[in-house]
Amino acid sequence: QKEVEQDPGPLSVPEGAIVSLNCTYSNSAFQYFMWYRQYSRKGPELLMYTYSSGNKEDGRFTAQVDKSSKYISLFIRDSQPSDSATYLCASYAGGTSYGKLTFGQGTILTVHP
Amino acid sequence: EPEVTQTPSHQVTQMGQEVILRCVPISNHLYFYWYRQILGQKVEFLVSFYNNEISEKSEIFDDQFSVERPDGSNFTLKIRSTKLEDSAMYFCASRGGWAETQYFGPGTRLLVL
Repeated sequence: QKEVEQDPGPLSVPEGAIVSLNCTYSNSAFQYFMWYRQYSRKGPELLMYTYSSGNKEDGRFTAQVDKSSKYISLFIRDSQPSDSATYLCASYAGGTSYGKLTFGQGTILTVHP
Repeated sequence: EPEVTQTPSHQVTQMGQEVILRCVPISNHLYFYWYRQILGQKVEFLVSFYNNEISEKSEIFDDQFSVERPDGSNFTLKIRSTKLEDSAMYFCASRGGWAETQYFGPGTRLLVL
């Protein structure tokens, strides 16, 4: 079983739509959860970082973590064409982990004008 | 804003040759990482480095790979004898403290012919 699973899409939405991106994970040791945005042939760019369960909001972006169901979500409000990219969820365990990130395969998002 | 930098941006090499990929992590960061992303696949962890030694490595990181922090600013990944399957995007990342997240560089695209 893959540790982090993510629907690769592609997902295409009109400008202004609310976008919902999701991941599931299997490793109960995961405590830290991230969303990265990756433009074509570029490095992952950190969008959101959360610890344990709960919500975190930053501008148009909201990250949710539900550890009971092992479910990670990212919501993008008022989506813009510039949001078109691949969105990667990632997790790592605390404790003895030195921060090794496990990534999902990424969801390709296109926001069309 | 501080950022992770990587050189070169592109590297083409012949199979069996040695390559060294270079990274300058964010100043004052303590944890350093290499990841790779084969085209169309997920970002995969290779190795983490802390306190001048490898703290964790994946099964991909075999004897052909090595890492070094030769001075206070650079962090390198060496592949001793490249194989065709080493062709990928290699990302360096760093983080400041235990509960902090990782910031990625722009990547080096390695092509082994």
